[in-house]
Amino acid sequence: KAGVTQTPRYLIKTRGQQVTLSCSPISGHRSVSWYQQTPGQGLQFLFEYFSETQRNKGNFPGRFSGRQFSNSRSEMNVSTLELGDSALYLCASSYSRKTLATITDTQYFGPGTRLTVL
Amino acid sequence: GDSVTQMEGPVTLSEEAFLTINCTYTATGYPSLFWYVQYPGEGLQLLLKATKADDKGSNKGFEATYRKETTSFHLEKGSVQVSDSAVYFCALSDQANAGGTSYGKLTFGQGTILTVHP
Repeated sequence: KAGVTQTPRYLIKTRGQQVTLSCSPISGHRSVSWYQQTPGQGLQFLFEYFSETQRNKGNFPGRFSGRQFSNSRSEMNVSTLELGDSALYLCASSYSRKTLATITDTQYFGPGTRLTVL
Repeated sequence: GDSVTQMEGPVTLSEEAFLTINCTYTATGYPSLFWYVQYPGEGLQLLLKATKADDKGSNKGFEATYRKETTSFHLEKGSVQVSDSAVYFCALSDQANAGGTSYGKLTFGQGTILTVHP
């Protein structure tokens, strides 16, 4: 099976702009999670989508948003970019089973999108 | 809330040395535990996992045992290679809550940089 793919791999934006990142999960996986990785804060959870619905959200401002399409592909959007948004953005997919909340599904990560805000 | 603490790094070893990277956690439920590895310029790769107490995860010579009594999941390898040089992350997933507050969320330690010299 093909792995998780993310596009683009690199982005350079200026403050105030907005950006959209894309993630295609492993075939058959219905859950997509997004993370921000920075040297100072490490890996932080942004949000998770399952069957086009956001099920969980981390502690990030409303400038960070996402969505998921019927084919499970997901996008995240950051509006009004700030210098501090420069980071590696990682998405991960897992199979997940909506009705069995006690099941833990392994997450598989994509290569990430490196966002630089100037 | 959930948290993961890894030993302070970086760790520098000679080839064929024994490796231990300590990881301890706090969680409100019954977490699954993971070790991920990140090579330069890449995303995270799953190294191994354990889903319940006393489980041992293993892969590529690496091992870790889920110790509920000490809330630990230390990573070990008997003989490291130069190719093992990377950043290692301990993580937990606490999806036992039917309330859904943990869906799709991995909580990560701060990462440990491992450098192996020939």
